Amino acid sequence: GDSVTQMEGPVTLSEEAFLTINCTYTATGYPSLFWYVQYPGEGLQLLLKATKADDKGSNKGFEATYRKETTSFHLEKGSVQVSDSAVYFCALRKAFGNEKLTFGTGTRLTIIP
Amino acid sequence: EAGVVQSPRYKIIEKKQPVAFWCNPISGHNTLYWYLQNLGQGPELLIRYENEEAVDDSQLPKDRFSAERLKGVDSTLKIQPAELGDSAVYLCASSLGGNNNEQFFGPGTRLTVL
Repeated sequence: GDSVTQMEGPVTLSEEAFLTINCTYTATGYPSLFWYVQYPGEGLQLLLKATKADDKGSNKGFEATYRKETTSFHLEKGSVQVSDSAVYFCALRKAFGNEKLTFGTGTRLTIIP
Repeated sequence: EAGVVQSPRYKIIEKKQPVAFWCNPISGHNTLYWYLQNLGQGPELLIRYENEEAVDDSQLPKDRFSAERLKGVDSTLKIQPAELGDSAVYLCASSLGGNNNEQFFGPGTRLTVL
């Protein structure tokens, strides 16, 4: 079945450091790929998405590129801030007929000043 | 615009007791989802509704879990009887439906079974 494998955490970085959180997936067909973020005490929020190969999703300085050849969707940010501290989830959704999101296990990110 | 509303936010019960969670989706969202999130894991779908019809309940443990979405708006998820392993966060999400529509999540209900 479909699955998402995420870089295990927790990840701790200093402010202004470069961030990469790895995500790879297994799915048939051409799924849509997502990154969700969960801030402390809040619900999951969509951070960015990509619906086809080579698409780049971006939001709030975060980017991820849909790489079909490596079945990856790694999350990157050039300069993290303390406010980026949260749990990040990579997820996929099949392109047709099934709206279920399949999530990775999440990566807890802590940014220290 | 109000987001997805869930209540209660926290619930502590003893094992073998019943418990119910309530969800009010975003107005106009036809599709409603219940996800289960165990500690340190990503959410997993329990059930998906299109209006009042449950179109995917394959992952719902039907021996103790039940759900309903009367009138295609609010939804209730029930566990009876609860077991220790049911301790988790229960998330509700809604969307306009269709493959390219974003799912909006509520804050979740954290259940602790003692």
